Amino acid sequence: EVQLVESGGGLVQPGGSLRLSCAASGFTFSSYEMNWVRQAPGRGPEWVSFISSSGSPIYYADSVKGRFTISRDGANNSLYLQMSSLRAEDTAVYYCARDKLGLRGANDYWGQGTLVTVSS
Amino acid sequence: DIQMTQSPSTLSASVGDRVTITCRASQSIRSWLAWYQQKPGKAPKLLIYEASSLESGVPSRFSGSGSGTEFTLTISSLQPDDFATYYCQQYNSYSWTFGQGTKVEIK
Repeated sequence: EVQLVESGGGLVQPGGSLRLSCAASGFTFSSYEMNWVRQAPGRGPEWVSFISSSGSPIYYADSVKGRFTISRDGANNSLYLQMSSLRAEDTAVYYCARDKLGLRGANDYWGQGTLVTVSS
Repeated sequence: DIQMTQSPSTLSASVGDRVTITCRASQSIRSWLAWYQQKPGKAPKLLIYEASSLESGVPSRFSGSGSGTEFTLTISSLQPDDFATYYCQQYNSYSWTFGQGTKVEIK
């Protein structure tokens, strides 16, 4: 069974940093492209970042470029999102989402999400 | 970025009704469109990809059509489990973008 389990969310002050993790199981992690997608309260999903199966290319939404860094660890079947210079508008549930094999952009499995709250 | 506009924002319908949701892209995305269903407190669930391909395990009452800039999601006979919010998403060019959502409510 495919599972994606996010962790690392919490309350952080504006300007602070946080590292999110996503533990993947039930599939060959190294074969799949992965994403972070966030959803602010009461809003629709917003794509944040993409990493290919090999680690390159990597893409970011303009709203997080220069502040967030996506990475992956094949040995530990894990996806990460390092977030810095956090702003109030980064407050959201953050999901890791797997791309459908061979179909970059269509997310066939999602984790349960981890809540990031940026507030003083 | 490509903008995705859904209509209506809210839809009231009864069990058994045929329901259609429209999604319009600000420029051509060919057939690189997905539809997701989301229930409160849950992650989105993929229903349709490549505009009209049904994801494995999704009931056949869901169907998608369109290409270029105009797309539709149709539920042929609304079931109680289908009351949820639906999002379209383009993946023609990064950054991938979602529509604002259509909430299907009980009439």
